[in-house]
Amino acid sequence: DAKTTQPPSMDCAEGRAANLPCNHSTISGNEYVYWYRQIHSQGPQYIIHGLKNNETNEMASLIITEDRKSSTLILPHATLRDTAVYYCIVRPWGSNYQLIWGAGTKLIIKP
Amino acid sequence: SAVISQKPSRDICQRGTSLTIQCQVDSQVTMMFWYRQQPGQSLTLIATANQGSEATYESGFVIDKFPISRPNLTFSTLTVSNMSPEDSSIYLCSVNRGPGDEQFFGPGTRLTVL
Repeated sequence: DAKTTQPPSMDCAEGRAANLPCNHSTISGNEYVYWYRQIHSQGPQYIIHGLKNNETNEMASLIITEDRKSSTLILPHATLRDTAVYYCIVRPWGSNYQLIWGAGTKLIIKP
Repeated sequence: SAVISQKPSRDICQRGTSLTIQCQVDSQVTMMFWYRQQPGQSLTLIATANQGSEATYESGFVIDKFPISRPNLTFSTLTVSNMSPEDSSIYLCSVNRGPGDEQFFGPGTRLTVL
């Protein structure tokens, strides 16, 4: 079973920051938080991952609480093309660990 | 990033037949995975394709139904055997290049079984 909890859906206005929350209260010390998204009819796309420090890349920022029990993915200036299902996943570092997918959050960006 | 292609991109098949899906990666990768995504659902891992040995299947998936080959580090196939309408799904190939690397996904194969 997935170790994360996300709201099933969210709306955001185009041009605004989209803040997607994720709860992972049972996260272990060696587990990272990964975010992927799946645009309709496409394969999932990696966005960002982190352990305990906040992370930023060209796509998004990841804010992880100090106790690591929750995190927030931030899309700073959402566009219509960001409409997708966003998945928050926790897993240990290393290639031998599979991703366990929950239901994700369907983010709809509105004009 | 790794570039992954899948063939076919979609197919409509008759009940009782089999379909083989191909996954090609543009570089050598350590791990290759096959997922199923049923309509409106999240992804479910079918198996890990191991190079040079039998695939490792997840609970609920068996080799007779989903035989997998991985002849080298850039290619794998998944066969959906003796298909029924319940097999109608998107089948996704995913790869991981090494420890700590993120997973990359192919575009998926949309299968409809009549």
